[in-house]
Amino acid sequence: SQQGEEDPQALSIQEGENATMNCSYKTSINNLQWYRQNSGRGLVHLILIRSNEREKHSGRLRVTLDTSKKSSSLLITASRAADTASYFCATDARNEKLVFGKGTKLTVNP
Amino acid sequence: DTAVSQTPKYLVTQMGNDKSIKCEQNLGHDTMYWYKQDSKKFLKIMFSYNNKELIINETVPNRFSPKSPDKAHLNLHINSLELGDSAVYFCASSAGAGEAEAFFGQGTRLTVV
Repeated sequence: SQQGEEDPQALSIQEGENATMNCSYKTSINNLQWYRQNSGRGLVHLILIRSNEREKHSGRLRVTLDTSKKSSSLLITASRAADTASYFCATDARNEKLVFGKGTKLTVNP
Repeated sequence: DTAVSQTPKYLVTQMGNDKSIKCEQNLGHDTMYWYKQDSKKFLKIMFSYNNKELIINETVPNRFSPKSPDKAHLNLHINSLELGDSAVYFCASSAGAGEAEAFFGQGTRLTVV
């Protein structure tokens, strides 16, 4: 069964604005990961946050994790047209596999 | 050097045919996966292998048979292809099952006509 669910399904913003995407999941996890997929390409890992962490930064990316609400958010600050892509959260299930959500399609308009 | 490479990138074939997709990783990872991405971009895991051993088989029809000759390779063979098999198939690998970042191949777009 699907574990992660991203929200919104689609997001359109102007260059320079911040983009926030949310992910909710159902069962307990060891870690949560965010990936980016450009059109017609494979997924690229962005950031991993462990269940005992609450916030993590990587460049213009900020990820938060709230295990009590079983949710995570990905914030992209000062967005660029090159950030246009689909973003997926993925959770591990008993350390056997990564289960992905349906993704948020982000469009950054120049 | 490509970390995870899969071939072919595009595959168009007729219903009923048998086809294979090959995947190789040069990262020294123990775990490899096959994912299917449908037209709505939903990524669903199909198989997971750890050190050549199958550890996950997600209720995939037995027309799909993965084969791992060694831990650097995980091939996917599909028998009697159906229209509903049309999708993009991704191979991925990671250092540990679920606990580490996964590296993805560029995908194989399979079209069954």
